[in-house]
Amino acid sequence: SQTIHQWPATLVQPVGSPLSLECTVEGTSNPNLYWYRQAAGRGLQLLFYSVGIGQISSEVPQNLSASRPQDRQFILSSKKLLLSDSGFYLCALKNRGYEQYFGPGTRLTVT
Amino acid sequence: GQNIDQPTEMTATEGAIVQINCTYQTSGFNGLFWYQQHAGEAPTFLSYNVLDGLEEKGRFSSFLSRSKGYSYLLLKELQMKDSASYLCAVSTGKAGNMLTFGGGTRLMVKP
Repeated sequence: SQTIHQWPATLVQPVGSPLSLECTVEGTSNPNLYWYRQAAGRGLQLLFYSVGIGQISSEVPQNLSASRPQDRQFILSSKKLLLSDSGFYLCALKNRGYEQYFGPGTRLTVT
Repeated sequence: GQNIDQPTEMTATEGAIVQINCTYQTSGFNGLFWYQQHAGEAPTFLSYNVLDGLEEKGRFSSFLSRSKGYSYLLLKELQMKDSASYLCAVSTGKAGNMLTFGGGTRLMVKP
C-alpha cells in the first residue's frame, strides 16, 4: 500500500528565513502530487500540483515554489518566509483512482 | 471560479443523527468528496459521489444533487470520536485531478 512521508513534522522559523519541506511517497509510481496549506481553523488551499518529474503547476502566486526532482519526491520551498506563511502544510497524492491521499503534514510557525 | 459553502460549526448529541450540508458553484464538476479531519491530523477519505443520489457506508451516508449544486453528509448513531472537522471538496479538471475544498464544518459531539 502507498505511504506518504513528510518532514519535518513541526517547524518554527523566523520571518525572512528560507524554507524547505519534503514529501516522499512509497508504494506507488508516477502519482500526481499536491501541496496544500491549511491556516488555523480553515479549509485546505491548493498551492502546487505535479503530474510528473519537473512538471509543476502553481495555483496561488506567492513567495513559495515547488519542485519534483524525482518521481516520488515533492519539495516545497521559500527564499524568505512571511508571517502569513504559517500553517499546516499537507502533501497529497492521487493515482489512477479518484481519491487523494494525504500525508501527516508539517506544522509551520513563522515568528 | 469555485465557491463551496458549508456551516462553520455544528453541535450534536451522542447517539443522535446529524446532517452537514455543502453547496457548491464550480466550473466543471467530476465528483464530490467528503473528508474527516481530527484536530492536528491529516484529512481522511469518507465518501465520493459522482452521480445523484445517496451513497451509504456504515454509519455515514453522503447525498448529491448535481442540478442543485448540493450535497450532505449524514452521520448516524453519533459517537464521541466523531468530533472532528468535515471537509467538502469538489473534483474538477482533467481526470478529476483538482480538488477545491470548502472551509470545513467543525462538529462537536456532546454526551
